[in-house]
Amino acid sequence: DTAVSQTPKYLVTQMGNDKSIKCEQNLGHDTMYWYKQDSKKFLKIMFSYNNKELIINETVPNRFSPKSPDKAHLNLHINSLELGDSAVYFCASSQPDRGRTSYNEQFFGPGTRLTVL
Amino acid sequence: GQQLNQSPQSMFIQEGEDVSMNCTSSSIFNTWLWYKQDPGEGPVLLIALYKAGELTSNGRLTAQFGITRKDSFLNISASIPSDVGIYFCAGSIINYGQNFVFGPGTRLSVLP
Repeated sequence: DTAVSQTPKYLVTQMGNDKSIKCEQNLGHDTMYWYKQDSKKFLKIMFSYNNKELIINETVPNRFSPKSPDKAHLNLHINSLELGDSAVYFCASSQPDRGRTSYNEQFFGPGTRLTVL
Repeated sequence: GQQLNQSPQSMFIQEGEDVSMNCTSSSIFNTWLWYKQDPGEGPVLLIALYKAGELTSNGRLTAQFGITRKDSFLNISASIPSDVGIYFCAGSIINYGQNFVFGPGTRLSVLP
């Protein structure tokens, strides 16, 4: 069974379009994330949600809007796509354990490769 | 902001050789994670470190959490072709928001 799944795996679209990427985790984790990996493979966190609430919102254009309908899902909607949005987007999840304050390993999905033409 | 540096950026080794790579930071972290990413896949966790000085092994992999809490290293012994990939370190401070910073990665190639 796939622990963290993303759809679609590939997304090719024109500049100016609006698109969504979906993420689901079946690990029962409370926290989910979106990362962007650029062409140089640099991974940068975009958002983090804990139990459907936004926890981290890095400096990301407001064209990117995450939505968490429940704690197992964190979708990413992107408005007015630009060429610079082309990248691989990874969803991840973790289960913070406050009894062990630094236990916060993240499990990643397979990624969605977005190409904006 | 917090930044991690990894060295080397890339390395080519012969099958059977041992590999060593490290990760340094200007900030103190309380957790160090090492991930491996295969082409077309998401990063997969290899080893997690929680205490300064901690040395942890996972098969042929060994990682250490530096005493200063500003660095970590990963060793791979007796490399095999499937060790090829990009190895990322990631650090986090104790933070309910689980904010991780990733290094730029070390790209490993193993020659038969």
